[in-house]
Amino acid sequence: DTAVSQTPKYLVTQMGNDKSIKCEQNLGHDTMYWYKQDSKKFLKIMFSYNNKELIINETVPNRFSPKSPDKAHLNLHINSLELGDSAVYFCASSQDPSGRPPYNEQFFGPGTRLTVL
Amino acid sequence: DQQVKQNSPSLSVQEGRISILNCDYTNSMFDYFLWYKKYPAEGPTFLISISSIKDKNEDGRFTVFLNKSAKHLSLHIVPSQPGDSAVYFCAASAGAGKSTFGDGTTLTVKP
Repeated sequence: DTAVSQTPKYLVTQMGNDKSIKCEQNLGHDTMYWYKQDSKKFLKIMFSYNNKELIINETVPNRFSPKSPDKAHLNLHINSLELGDSAVYFCASSQDPSGRPPYNEQFFGPGTRLTVL
Repeated sequence: DQQVKQNSPSLSVQEGRISILNCDYTNSMFDYFLWYKKYPAEGPTFLISISSIKDKNEDGRFTVFLNKSAKHLSLHIVPSQPGDSAVYFCAASAGAGKSTFGDGTTLTVKP
C-alpha cells in the first residue's frame, strides 16, 4: 500500500511542451512538497502546501505551477519545458509544516524522471 | 550558497565495520537535523534525526552525533551490512517544514 505515489514514473517530452506530474498521499498528512533533484544530485525544495495553501515557494520559474485540489493531492504543472528542467522530481508529505519534532519527518514518493529533448 | 554539504561523494566499507558519514552546515539557525537513506529508483526514507539541544541520538545500529560549535554532524552505522548500501542525505531544518538537503554520500558495504 503506497504511502506517497507519483505518476508518471518516467516522462520524456520535447522542449516547449506542457506536462503535469501527479502526486497523492494516503497518510492523512496536512503538508505536501515538491523537490527537484538535478544532475548534481542536490535535493532542492520547490514548493510546499499545507491544507491546500501555498506556504513555501522557492525561487522557481513561473513556468512551474503547483496545484492542490485537496489535502491528499499536490500536482505539478510545467509549461514550456526547457532542457534544464530535466531532473528527477520528488513529491513528499509530512504530518504538519512546523518543522518541529516529531513531525518534521517527510515521506517521499518514488520520483518522476523527466527528460526534456 | 550551499548551506548543507556532504564533502564525501562516496564511501566504501567492509561488512561488519563502522561506516561514518559526515555533514557540515553553515546556517546557525538550523536547529533540527535529519538523515535520509535512498535506494536507486526510490524516494528517500527517513532514518534518524537529532535536535540541536542534543549531541547524540542512537537508534539501533545508527547513531547521529552533532557538534554545534563546529557545525558538523555525522552518522555512524555499526556494524555495517550490505543492505546499508545506499545514498545517504543529511538535511537541516530551521522550522516551517523547510528542510535543506546535502548532495548525498553513496555508501557501499562490501560483503
